[in-house]
Amino acid sequence: EDQVTQSPEALRLQEGESSSLNCSYTVSGLRGLFWYRQDPGKGPEFLFTLYSAGEEKEKERLKATLTKKESFLHITAPKPEDSATYLCAVQANSGYALNFGKGTSLLVTP
Amino acid sequence: KAGVTQTPRYLIKTRGQQVTLSCSPISGHRSVSWYQQTPGQGLQFLFEYFSETQRNKGNFPGRFSGRQFSNSRSEMNVSTLELGDSALYLCASSLDLPGNTGELFFGEGSRLTVL
Repeated sequence: EDQVTQSPEALRLQEGESSSLNCSYTVSGLRGLFWYRQDPGKGPEFLFTLYSAGEEKEKERLKATLTKKESFLHITAPKPEDSATYLCAVQANSGYALNFGKGTSLLVTP
Repeated sequence: KAGVTQTPRYLIKTRGQQVTLSCSPISGHRSVSWYQQTPGQGLQFLFEYFSETQRNKGNFPGRFSGRQFSNSRSEMNVSTLELGDSALYLCASSLDLPGNTGELFFGEGSRLTVL
């Protein structure tokens, strides 16, 4: 059975303090791994898609990387507006549904 | 460009009742997916529709059903509501099946409370 585990569950950073969020996954044939951001009271917002080990994607202060067993979302010099829940999801070759992890709640304080 | 619209945003029902939630996808998007989000289980896939056909279904009981209309608008229905059905129900649309890009555009959700 496909499984996605995100860690830590919650993370508090000072503004400018870089860190990484982890997404470990098991899937029978990976079609893609996705990162989404969710703000309170909103639906998730798409950030990145990664398809194969070694792939990296960047967007502003965020950089996503992928290995055969996990993905990292690196946050460089975060700002308070980066505070949100970050969700990781995998899509198997056998289907189209996204299997989401429970997310990492990030709080960046000034 | 208008985003995904879900109605109603909030609703309260009692056990045993049924509820219908509506989703209008982004114009031109033909695929609509539904997810249930709870604090304990996170986001769980309910079903996906493409061109009025249910293409995929998650592991939910038959009380959960849905449909898609010719204009791509979708509805989901939950019958015989249980306390555990209290959740945020999210609708997402995409241009084609998510397998192509994985980029889903989510609405803000319908928050259902079952008393």
